Amino acid sequence: QVQLKESGPGLVQPSETLSLTCTVSGFSLTSYSVSWVRQPSGKGPEWMGRMWYDGDTAYNSALKSRLSISRDTSKNQVFLKMNSLQTDDTGTYYCTRDLNWGGYFDYWGQGVMVTVSS
Amino acid sequence: DIQMTQSPASLSASLGETVTIQCQASEDIYSGLAWYQQKPGKSPQLLIYGASSLQDGVPSRFSGSGSGTQYSLKISSMQTEDEGVYFCQQGLKYPWTFGGGTKLELK
Repeated sequence: QVQLKESGPGLVQPSETLSLTCTVSGFSLTSYSVSWVRQPSGKGPEWMGRMWYDGDTAYNSALKSRLSISRDTSKNQVFLKMNSLQTDDTGTYYCTRDLNWGGYFDYWGQGVMVTVSS
Repeated sequence: DIQMTQSPASLSASLGETVTIQCQASEDIYSGLAWYQQKPGKSPQLLIYGASSLQDGVPSRFSGSGSGTQYSLKISSMQTEDEGVYFCQQGLKYPWTFGGGTKLELK
């Protein structure tokens, strides 16, 4: 069955870089796109960016200068790197499998809580 | 960016009651809309996409409608397991954006 699992540090210092890994199973990264979505506590989610099935990327313009998404298809992994973290980057970070039509997210990982604090 | 505004922010419904949640986009999104349900401590779950297409495995009491800038999610008969927060999301234009959520509770 389709599964996604995020991993990475739970605590990041202000101004440091966040690195997260999404490990997927049950589908191929060359057939489906994967997005990163984050959600501050008690608020609506925010789409961060997408790794397309063909290797192309798309980013939220609000984050584009700080964000990089890459992948390793041999390991079934998608990576997120975001620099210059601030306290308002605190929240739960999810990776999602995307429908092959439109910008919709049909499977979500369990999420990883990231706190930006000194 | 396209802004998504949901109403109401919260509501309570009795078992068997029909529930409707509204979502307004800041511009025409040509039915490029999805609805998600999120329960406490869990990830969001896709319910509806393309404004009215029911995701596999989602109960038929959920339905979506709308066009242009106005969309709605209807639950035809409220059940205990329908408690949670509901989000709309536009999937037409980058950056894809979500509404602030509607909290649904059982009365």
